[in-house]
Amino acid sequence: KQEVTQIPAALSVPEGENLVLNCSFTDSAIYNLQWFRQDPGKGLTSLLLIQSSQREQTSGRLNASLDKSSGRSTLYIAASQPGDSATYLCAVSNSGNTPLVFGKGTRLSVIA
Amino acid sequence: KAGVTQTPRYLIKTRGQQVTLSCSPISGHRSVSWYQQTPGQGLQFLFEYFSETQRNKGNFPGRFSGRQFSNSRSEMNVSTLELGDSALYLCASSPGGGSGNTIYFGEGSWLTVV
Repeated sequence: KQEVTQIPAALSVPEGENLVLNCSFTDSAIYNLQWFRQDPGKGLTSLLLIQSSQREQTSGRLNASLDKSSGRSTLYIAASQPGDSATYLCAVSNSGNTPLVFGKGTRLSVIA
Repeated sequence: KAGVTQTPRYLIKTRGQQVTLSCSPISGHRSVSWYQQTPGQGLQFLFEYFSETQRNKGNFPGRFSGRQFSNSRSEMNVSTLELGDSALYLCASSPGGGSGNTIYFGEGSWLTVV
C-alpha cells in the first residue's frame, strides 16, 4: 500500500529565503507525482506534475524534483514571499487510472 | 473557462440525517473524483467516476455513495450521518480520466454534523 509522508509538518521562514519541502513515498513504482497548494478553507491548486520518466519540473519560482529510486521528491521555492504562505501537499499515483495518494502536507508561513 | 463547482459550500446536519453534495466538473472533463479531508486523516479518496461508471473506490463504508450523470456532473451522498463525517469534501475533475493528467479541485463542501 502506497504511503506518502511530508516533513516537516509546519515551517516558518522569513521573506526572501529559499526553501525546500520534502515528500517521500514507500512504493517507488509510481506513475506520476503532483504538488498542490491549499489556502485555508479552500480547495487544492495543482502546482507541478512530474511524470515518472522525468526528473524535475519548473514553474516560475517553483522547482520540483523526483528521485523514484529513493522514493523522494522535493519542492524548491525560491525567494519566498508572504503570498506563498499555504499548505503544500504532495500526491502520487501508481498508475494512470488509480487515485492519488496524498501526504498530510507542510504548512508554510512566510513572515514579512 | 469555469472551474470545478461544488454546492453547497457549507452545511450543518444532525446525526442520523443524510446529505447530498453536488459537483460540476470543468467543461469537457469526464472524470470526477471525491475526497474527504479532515485534520487528523488528511485527504482520503472516496471514489472516482468516469463516463457515468464508478472506476475506483476508496475504503469507506457503504453509507458513502455517489453517481455521475451523462453531463459529467456528479453527486455524492452520505446516509445516516455520524459526527466523524464532519469534514471538507473535495471534488476534482480531469480531462481523460485517472491521474495521468493534471487534476483540478473545487473549493469544497464543508459538512458539520452535530
